[in-house]
Amino acid sequence: GQNIDQPTEMTATEGAIVQINCTYQTSGFNGLFWYQQHAGEAPTFLSYNVLDGLEEKGRFSSFLSRSKGYSYLLLKELQMKDSASYLCAVKDSNYQLIWGAGTKLIIKP
Amino acid sequence: DAMVIQNPRYQVTQFGKPVTLSCSQTLNHNVMYWYQQKSSQAPKLLFHYYDKDFNNEADTPDNFQSRRPNTSFCFLDIRSPGLGDAAMYLCATSISGTGANVLTFGAGSRLTVL
Repeated sequence: GQNIDQPTEMTATEGAIVQINCTYQTSGFNGLFWYQQHAGEAPTFLSYNVLDGLEEKGRFSSFLSRSKGYSYLLLKELQMKDSASYLCAVKDSNYQLIWGAGTKLIIKP
Repeated sequence: DAMVIQNPRYQVTQFGKPVTLSCSQTLNHNVMYWYQQKSSQAPKLLFHYYDKDFNNEADTPDNFQSRRPNTSFCFLDIRSPGLGDAAMYLCATSISGTGANVLTFGAGSRLTVL
């Protein structure tokens, strides 16, 4: 079966750095996505990795290792508005998106 | 601004009373999706359309139907909602192809079943 694993919940402090990990086992690989979802709202796109390495976009960075089936999302200079769920999703060999259940990130002052 | 609009944002229905949720898009994307998402769970794909081609996920219950009368609009019909169908229903669009094909989501329709 296909599977995406993420921690259920993480807590971090405003101004700090947090790393959210995602491991995947899928039938093939055609890219990995991170989406942010605030409570009661729709997911919004954060990042896309298809090659190994780090993609940086402002305060957010995403890393991919295809050989390890592993990605992380790094959030720097945390702000209260970053409190949200972060969803990892992988596009498999059929270009179907396999979603993780998301990591709920709680930011404390 | 180009966007994906879902109506209604909140829908309350009674057990067994049919419901229709709508989605419209101004992005001119050829692919449209309906997802069901329950609290703290991954979005679950119900259907998607590549242009007019309808694709039904194998485990989508028969109680759920969909229509796409044109490129811009898509509807989700729940014929006889049960308590287990209470969820957020998300419409999303993308362009097809082998690239990133990022999904753009609507704000969602939250369904409550009494």
